[in-house]
Amino acid sequence: QQPVQSPQAVILREGEDAVINCSSSKALYSVHWYRQKHGEAPVFLMILLKGGEQKGHDKISASFNEKKQQSSLYLTASQLSYSGTYFCGTEISGTYKYIFGTGTRLKVLA
Amino acid sequence: DAMVIQNPRYQVTQFGKPVTLSCSQTLNHNVMYWYQQKSSQAPKLLFHYYDKDFNNEADTPDNFQSRRPNTSFCFLDIRSPGLGDAAMYLCATSRPLLIRGYNEQFFGPGTRLTVL
Repeated sequence: QQPVQSPQAVILREGEDAVINCSSSKALYSVHWYRQKHGEAPVFLMILLKGGEQKGHDKISASFNEKKQQSSLYLTASQLSYSGTYFCGTEISGTYKYIFGTGTRLKVLA
Repeated sequence: DAMVIQNPRYQVTQFGKPVTLSCSQTLNHNVMYWYQQKSSQAPKLLFHYYDKDFNNEADTPDNFQSRRPNTSFCFLDIRSPGLGDAAMYLCATSRPLLIRGYNEQFFGPGTRLTVL
């Protein structure tokens, strides 16, 4: 079952903040976040392994609530370079098979 | 630099004409993946290899085949491409660590397939 992301799309002005949510109907053992620019391959942002774990680098951070089977990605003081489609994803435990979420298109305007 | 390379970057084929896409990696990763990504959709896993062990997704059409002759190379063969097979095809690799769930994927730049 594919994780569902919300919102599907968001438009921001430079400097504004955004939150992207990822929700799964099945247990999540880990959550991965990727950003993909148009016509390019997905680029790894971060992995969260444990419930309650929060990670971040630069002005992008994420949290993982294992109990609720949810993860959220936080983009602070967004920059033009943040534009793209964000995917959460998870590995099906023990299989090396990977499922991406439905995706969130983010556009940052000057 | 260690990387994942896909050739060609753009491939045009005719309806029904077999086509092969290639992927190579210098990362020495033991897992390799092929994904299909259509416009505005998430990448969809077609198959993956753990070393030489091949794993096919249940809904991957029979029209799609794969070969992995060695650790570094993996091929995607589309035997009789249809118009619906036009997509971006992404190759990825990973080297799972002992930590459960830590399986970062490294993607190649993709091959965009057009079917005329």
